[in-house]
Amino acid sequence: EIVMTQSPATLSVSPGERATLSCRASQSVSSNLAWYQQKPGQAPRLLIFGASTRATGIPARFSGSGSGTEFTLTISSLQSEDFAVYYCQQYSNWLGTFGQGTKVEI
Amino acid sequence: QVHLVESGGGVVQPGRSLRLSCAASGFTFNSYAMHWVRQAPGKGLEWLAIISYDENDHNYADSVKGRFTISRDNSKKTLFLQMDGLTSEDTAIYYCAKGRPAYTTTWLLDYWGQGTLVIVSS
Repeated sequence: EIVMTQSPATLSVSPGERATLSCRASQSVSSNLAWYQQKPGQAPRLLIFGASTRATGIPARFSGSGSGTEFTLTISSLQSEDFAVYYCQQYSNWLGTFGQGTKVEI
Repeated sequence: QVHLVESGGGVVQPGRSLRLSCAASGFTFNSYAMHWVRQAPGKGLEWLAIISYDENDHNYADSVKGRFTISRDNSKKTLFLQMDGLTSEDTAIYYCAKGRPAYTTTWLLDYWGQGTLVIVSS
């Protein structure tokens, strides 16, 4: 099983600032990496797939980078609606696994 | 637009069974793999099961293998999760999710339902 590790667990950021979230895979997943956003009481929403491709309707302030085992999600200028929990997920092989999440808080 | 609506959750006693459903609309249901993912209270996401678009392939997380069964009725655009031998550790919100791209068995999940809550308690 590929283990996904996210850091930090919690990120405190002010509105307008940049947020950088990290995700590490225990073995290479190539670019088969997705990011999801989950707000309280809501289902997860796909933000990024293929490590760097934004899903439909996702604002350009969200960007993803990386390949192999190291990945980054960057939110260039945090808006109030961006405060949420973010999960990375590898879908490189059978049993796609999630990271434990990073909470982005004010 | 894609719409996934789960139902069938509720309170169930340990050892009992429950069957969840997920009604799909807004896409060609029989072209996409479908998944179940759960989230225990205050915890992260745990992938549970996948069924291929043509029902021929299934796979399960070790935590539910042998107890949960995923199935689908493509004629009714509905996904199911039969859960047997429930324990308190199965208490969670259960989400169905659509895989992408079409005609592949993939763990990339592009649309999720709002979830249904299952509480296992005596």
